Amino acid sequence: EVQLVESGGGLVKPGGSLRLSCAASGFTFSSYSMNWVRQAPGKGLEWVSSISSSSSYIHYADSVKGRFTISRDNAKNSLYLQMNSLRAEDTAVYYCARESTSPYDILTGSYYYYMDVWGKGTTVTVSS
Amino acid sequence: SSELTQDPAVSVALGQTVRITCQGDSLRSYYASWYQQKPGQAPVLVIYGKNNRPSGIPDRFSGSSSGNTASLTITGAQAEDEADYYCNSRDSSGNHLGVFGGGTKVTVL
Repeated sequence: EVQLVESGGGLVKPGGSLRLSCAASGFTFSSYSMNWVRQAPGKGLEWVSSISSSSSYIHYADSVKGRFTISRDNAKNSLYLQMNSLRAEDTAVYYCARESTSPYDILTGSYYYYMDVWGKGTTVTVSS
Repeated sequence: SSELTQDPAVSVALGQTVRITCQGDSLRSYYASWYQQKPGQAPVLVIYGKNNRPSGIPDRFSGSSSGNTASLTITGAQAEDEADYYCNSRDSSGNHLGVFGGGTKVTVL
């Protein structure tokens, strides 16, 4: 079964740090780009960061740039998010999501990009 | 970065058809994907690309796109379709899937 399981969430004080993990199983982890997506209480989905299959390409949302670091260990089938200088507005459920790319569609002349596997999420609460 | 705009809420009578739209400049270059999220659950991919459904997604869900607008249509809405729906696409630079719409709450009456 294809599965992603997040862990590492918890309660942390403003300015503190936390490291999230995402354990992948049931697929060839090293072949996929991965993403972190978060959802603040009562709010919509917000993309946080992405990392390519070999870690060559990394991107961050402006809201976390310079504070969060995404990484992966393909030997351990694991994705990580190191979160430093945490703020109250970082309070959210954090999901890891697998990114897939479709074969080239000759009818549309396009590739399709999507997040097809999601974990159940881990909750981060930043509060004093 | 880019933005995707969705209507906050729509309602549909049981068995009727509802269309949810998503607008943004990035949609001129990239197809949207659509996610269903029920309370307390993780998002689930329902449509990607021109009109592709992952395995297990009912065929009452369909997608379309024109210009800067992507649409998700539920034909014959069921009570279990009541949920939040989010569109997503690559940002205009094409570097990542970093753009989500604000979400549309679908209520089935």
